[in-house]
Amino acid sequence: GESVGLHLPTLSVQEGDNSIINCAYSNSASDYFIWYKQESGKGPQFIIDIRSNMDKRQGQRVTVLLNKTVKHLSLQIAATQPGDSAVYFCAESLLNTGNQFYFGTGTSLTVIP
Amino acid sequence: DTAVSQTPKYLVTQMGNDKSIKCEQNLGHDTMYWYKQDSKKFLKIMFSYNNKELIINETVPNRFSPKSPDKAHLNLHINSLELGDSAVYFCASSFRMGSYEQYFGPGTRLTVT
Repeated sequence: GESVGLHLPTLSVQEGDNSIINCAYSNSASDYFIWYKQESGKGPQFIIDIRSNMDKRQGQRVTVLLNKTVKHLSLQIAATQPGDSAVYFCAESLLNTGNQFYFGTGTSLTVIP
Repeated sequence: DTAVSQTPKYLVTQMGNDKSIKCEQNLGHDTMYWYKQDSKKFLKIMFSYNNKELIINETVPNRFSPKSPDKAHLNLHINSLELGDSAVYFCASSFRMGSYEQYFGPGTRLTVT
């Protein structure tokens, strides 16, 4: 499979601070990216997505940035809350593979109250 | 109300046994998947079915056999279980094939002793 990697396996932030989770991907043909949040004992849950024709997309307290030049994706969480503590995955979908997604290794975010 | 459900949630069994995990989605989605998540949280797709037809079959031992009796169900049968099969198995579904978010079930933690 293609490499979808994260720079930091763990991240600790103070409650109220902003969090940035990074993801690198290797295939420039990828056209769709999703960030998932996985809480302990649960399945991954969709947070936000972005298509390759966009550089930025905002949701509620979250922003995804896509830099196709360096094949880099980031998830920014504003005013991080204890409920944001989870493992975050980026996933990429490759052209001509239906909707097969390759997941990154995950970043564990811990919010310190 | 559960969108994607799996049974059982926990499965402990001995090497050599045969076991099944069931998955059902009530979202009316066309496409369903099975993923395996290892102890390091790495998520890897195993199978993808679209309208009961096998689309993706990653490099998975043929001891694993998915069965889709209808569009809403995708079961996973595993023969001759091995220690290395211990993992969390997630079922997921998406609206259709292509770049669509996937909805994950709660996972089945399989422990082979």
